[in-house]
Amino acid sequence: DIQMTQSPSSLSASVGDRVTITCRASQSISSYLNWFQQKPGKAPKVLIYGASSLQSGVPSRFSGSGSGTDFTLTISSLQPEDFATYYCQQSYSSLLTFGGGTKVEIK
Amino acid sequence: EVQLVESGGGLVQPGGSLRLSCAASGFTFSSYWMHWVRQAPGKGLVWVSRINSDGSSTNNADSVKGQFTISRDNAKNTLYLQMNSLRAEDTAVYYCARDSGLGYIDYWGQGTLVTVSS
Repeated sequence: DIQMTQSPSSLSASVGDRVTITCRASQSISSYLNWFQQKPGKAPKVLIYGASSLQSGVPSRFSGSGSGTDFTLTISSLQPEDFATYYCQQSYSSLLTFGGGTKVEIK
Repeated sequence: EVQLVESGGGLVQPGGSLRLSCAASGFTFSSYWMHWVRQAPGKGLVWVSRINSDGSSTNNADSVKGQFTISRDNAKNTLYLQMNSLRAEDTAVYYCARDSGLGYIDYWGQGTLVTVSS
């Protein structure tokens, strides 16, 4: 199975901060990398697919980059509604796998 | 509007079985691959199973191979997950989810809680 490793596992940030979350795959996954946001008690929501494509309706402050094994999710200016847990997920293999998650908390 | 509504969760004893259902509406169910994803209390997301649009091909995570079976009834617009030999570590919220057709999940249900305990 392809292992997905996210870092950090948690971070504290202030409204307006630029936030970067990293995801690393255990082998090359080309651009088959997706990012999800999950708030407590809610289902996840897709933000970015194909490493860098913004899902319809998602604010442009979210962006994704990378290919191969190293990927990044960036929130350019953190908003109050962005405090949540973020997961990367690879769809290169027929056995999909998620990263362990990054919890973004209020500083 | 795309809607995915899971049902069938509940309390089950270790070694028991449970079948989850997911009723789909608002889209042509028979055209989409579907997934099950689970989340243990306070833990991260874990992909469980995937089925293609006509039900002829499935994939399962190693952790549930031989234990869980995904299936679908396109005439009823319903996805299923048959779970056998349940263990405490299978306790989780189980989400039904739609594959966008581009390899990523674009819609999720609200989830159904399965608790395995004596």
